[in-house]
Amino acid sequence: KAGVTQTPRYLIKTRGQQVTLSCSPISGHRSVSWYQQTPGQGLQFLFEYFSETQRNKGNFPGRFSGRQFSNSRSEMNVSTLELGDSALYLCASSSTGVTGELFFGEGSRLTVL
Amino acid sequence: GESVGLHLPTLSVQEGDNSIINCAYSNSASDYFIWYKQESGKGPQFIIDIRSNMDKRQGQRVTVLLNKTVKHLSLQIAATQPGDSAVYFCAEKMGYQKVTFGTGTKLQVIP
Repeated sequence: KAGVTQTPRYLIKTRGQQVTLSCSPISGHRSVSWYQQTPGQGLQFLFEYFSETQRNKGNFPGRFSGRQFSNSRSEMNVSTLELGDSALYLCASSSTGVTGELFFGEGSRLTVL
Repeated sequence: GESVGLHLPTLSVQEGDNSIINCAYSNSASDYFIWYKQESGKGPQFIIDIRSNMDKRQGQRVTVLLNKTVKHLSLQIAATQPGDSAVYFCAEKMGYQKVTFGTGTKLQVIP
């Protein structure tokens, strides 16, 4: 079974630009969660989607948004990038999102200059 | 002011010894407590979980202990190997809410 796939793996943007990251979950998984990982803040929860609906939301500004498609693939978007948005963005999928067993992708490393 | 990087506590263990990684959790209403391992350049990987109505669970070379009285969780790794070197995160979950991660502990195995 293929794992969680995230694209792109690396990207460099400048302040003010926007970025879209993509995540393909494990086949059959309906829950997709996004996390931001930085050395300063650890793993911070962004949002979770289940069956195309946002089920949980973290404490990030409205510049961070996401969506989930009918095939469970998910995208997250960050608009008006700031230097502090530089981070590893991790996507994780699970079948129902109940037990806490998440399957993570390898992440998208975003650098904002 | 300038933000300070998160300083991960580090546990150094001799190869072959047992490792114990500790974690204090915050939500006494959490249903599940989970341990993840993150190797350099990779996403976190699920190791083992324990439900809140249990106090011990064993896996392959790993044991998780839950003490709800003091809100403490620990991960024991038997016969630690170089491949166990990684950052270990404890996490907790309540119902359909998000999985909340702790700050992590770096395990360094000395050959």
